[in-house]
This record gives sequence, C-alpha cells and structure tokens, in this order.
Amino acid sequence: QVQLQESGPGLVKPSETLSLTCAVSGYSISSGYYWGWIRQPPGKGLEWIGSIYHSGSTYYNPSLKSRVTISVDTSKNQFSLKLSSVTAADTAVYYCARDLMETFDYWGQGTLVTVSS
Amino acid sequence: DIQMTQSPSSLSASVGDRVTITCRASQGIRNDLGWYQQKPGKAPKRLIYAASSLQSGVPSRFSGSGSGTEFTLTISSLQPEDFATYYCLQHNSYPPMYTFGQGTKLEIK
Repeated sequence: QVQLQESGPGLVKPSETLSLTCAVSGYSISSGYYWGWIRQPPGKGLEWIGSIYHSGSTYYNPSLKSRVTISVDTSKNQFSLKLSSVTAADTAVYYCARDLMETFDYWGQGTLVTVSS
Repeated sequence: DIQMTQSPSSLSASVGDRVTITCRASQGIRNDLGWYQQKPGKAPKRLIYAASSLQSGVPSRFSGSGSGTEFTLTISSLQPEDFATYYCLQHNSYPPMYTFGQGTKLEIK
C-alpha cells in the first residue's frame, strides 16, 4: 500500500520560504510516476501547485511558478516543496500525492501551514 | 488555460435521492477527468478517473460520464456517508496543467 506523509514547519513568517517534505513508503519513487503538491486554504477549494518526476523533470502551476521549487531525493524516497516570499494568502493545508498525469491516486493526510508573524 | 466550471456549488438532498454534479470545461478535453470526495479534515479520495472508470473499492452507486466539455458525477441513491464536498479535476497535457473545479458541497436536506 502506497503511503505519503507530509512534514515541515506549521508556522512560517511572511516573506520567508515555506519548506515541506513528503516521505513515500510502499513504493519506490525511482520506479516511476510523477509526484505532486496540492494545497487548500481554510474553507476553500483545491489548487494544484506542481509535480516532479523521479528524474527531476517538473511542471508547475503558472500562477505559482515564479515562487515554487519542487525537488526529489530518490535515495530517501521523498520529494520536497519550497514556496518563497509567502504571504497570508499561502496559509493552507498542503497535500502531497502520486500524480498519474491524469489524476492523483494516493494522497498524504495533509499538513496545515500558517503564514503569520 | 482550460477553466473548469463546477455546478452546483451546493446541494441539499435526502438519503435515497439521485444526485448529479456537473463540470464544464472551457474547451474540449480528452477524458482526463476525475472526481473526488472530501470529508472535513480529510484528504480528497478519488472516486472516478478517466471520466467514467470507477476507482477500486468505491461503491457502484457512484458513476461518471461525459466527454468533450461536459462531465457528470452521479450518485444513484444517496447514503448517509455520501454527504461531503465533491471536486472534479482536469489534466491537460499541453501545457501540462491540472485544474480543479470549485467544489460542490452536498448537504442533508
């Protein structure tokens, strides 16, 4: 059974960089598929952030592209998200998920990141 | 960019009712569309992929249909555990991009 688990600080200051990691178990990232990040502001809908392949190939939401970096560490079977210059609008639950290039099948439980001084 | 318009935004229904939720794409898309169910405090759960394929383990009262620009999720007979928020998700290949619908909150009447 594929499992994903997000981790990282729950509180980030405005203008700083949000950093999260997603640890994957039950499946080797090196075996294939893309791996993605999705977020959901409190009480609002879902927004795709971006995705990465095990080779390091990425694709991002154009609305966030200038601030987003997604990277992968196959030796640790995990991938990471960095979102720079955060504001209160970036407060959200952040999910990681396996990207099938048509939908996401397995999801992490999500982690709330609050942007506040 | 392809826009997805999901309707209705909210819906009140009773146990046993048949319910339909619609997503319309701003331009024709293949069948790279999925439907998700989300309950409060939980991650979304995939119900349907490729517009009409039922995710393993999902009850058969859920079905998806459509092609081109209009897609529907139908719940044939609502059960108490079905009251949740539903989202459609579209994947575009060129340029690669995902777009979620705005969501439909299904409430008990």
